[in-house]
Amino acid sequence: AQTVTQSQPEMSVQEAETVTLSCTYDTSENNYYLFWYKQPPSRQMILVIRQEAYKQQNATENRFSVNFQKAAKSFSLKISDSQLGDTAMYFCALNSGGSNYKLTFGKGTLLTVNP
Amino acid sequence: DAMVIQNPRYQVTQFGKPVTLSCSQTLNHNVMYWYQQKSSQAPKLLFHYYDKDFNNEADTPDNFQSRRPNTSFCFLDIRSPGLGDAAMYLCATKMSGSYGYTFGSGTRLTVV
Repeated sequence: AQTVTQSQPEMSVQEAETVTLSCTYDTSENNYYLFWYKQPPSRQMILVIRQEAYKQQNATENRFSVNFQKAAKSFSLKISDSQLGDTAMYFCALNSGGSNYKLTFGKGTLLTVNP
Repeated sequence: DAMVIQNPRYQVTQFGKPVTLSCSQTLNHNVMYWYQQKSSQAPKLLFHYYDKDFNNEADTPDNFQSRRPNTSFCFLDIRSPGLGDAAMYLCATKMSGSYGYTFGSGTRLTVV
């Protein structure tokens, strides 16, 4: 079984500042994939960033980057230069592969960016 | 990436009246998923298909059924909706070249 834990139900940050969202996970697989998804209020869930476990280099997508600590099973998301449009629920997710590609989500962190 | 289209965006149904939600995807990918997401909660997997191989999660209520008549389309049937079934229902397929998912916009179901 695979589990994902997000310990911060809500966070807030001032516009233009940096914020880090935490995520820990557990899986017995050695090869797996981690994701951060963003879900704005009443809008579609979209992929923010992804990390393959076999890659040591942390993934980066523009203002979004991750800190992947495989031994600690930790996968945090850093948002730099926060913008009002970053206000959303953020879900950490894990896929341990296999033919069915099942994705397990954490409970989410509601991020509010304040002007 | 595959586009996932869900219809309708909003659905209101009466307590106990059967309702069907639909989903289609444009790249004919072999895997499709249905998730239920209640307010401020994580999505919960109800069903997934790998080709025509249908799998329901152990805790998916019998009230929920799914059909996949062809690769592109997938339906979620709720035979007798209760108030507790009010939720956002998300359909997804696998992203090309990745183990991530592409989600549809969801159908928000209200039970009255």
